[in-house]
Amino acid sequence: QQQVKQSPQSLIVQKGGISIINCAYENTAFDYFPWYQQFPGKGPALLIAIRPDVSEKKEGRFTISFNKSAKQFSLHIMDSQPGDSATYFCAASEYGNKLVFGAGTILRVKS
Amino acid sequence: GAGVSQTPSNKVTEKGKYVELRCDPISGHTALYWYRQSLGQGPEFLIYFQGTGAADDSGLPNDRFFAVRPEGSVSTLKIQRTERGDSAVYLCASSSRDSNTEAFFGQGTRLTVV
Repeated sequence: QQQVKQSPQSLIVQKGGISIINCAYENTAFDYFPWYQQFPGKGPALLIAIRPDVSEKKEGRFTISFNKSAKQFSLHIMDSQPGDSATYFCAASEYGNKLVFGAGTILRVKS
Repeated sequence: GAGVSQTPSNKVTEKGKYVELRCDPISGHTALYWYRQSLGQGPEFLIYFQGTGAADDSGLPNDRFFAVRPEGSVSTLKIQRTERGDSAVYLCASSSRDSNTEAFFGQGTRLTVV
């Protein structure tokens, strides 16, 4: 059972453009929604996270938008750079428990 | 250490053999998680420890998989009678008691069963 659906599978963006990755979840008990960045041969690294009591969170060039009623959240990467090229995973969890990950989005930023 | 450390980085084993994968969490982190990541997929939960005890082992695929954390720090994931389908990257993550939703991952152990 796929509890977190992520799209697109892959994304190509020009340098300086906006990268947008979307996720949808099913379990309304989820109350923590992080995004992870993973480079080849490395473990996932936490990028930014949000809780459902806010609709948006911004950290530098990275913004999470959250729509509780639609059970959807998205990651926006502004001014995308070649160094942002990586695989991005959305995830969700109930407090203190296991993370449920999306299938991942391979982002390539063309210079 | 500064981060979560996993050893070995790579492990090649023959089908039917027994393997152990080790995880050293960030010092002081009480929560420890094991995940398995197949090629092109997101990590899938295996087991979660809070201290020494397994708080949730619902992700272990079958009884060939077992994990321990005897002193509440280092953890070992044990796989018996390995199968080719066990080939994957095994990831360990830890988090602190006060922020046990922010999980920090190790670089993983790539297990290949031939």
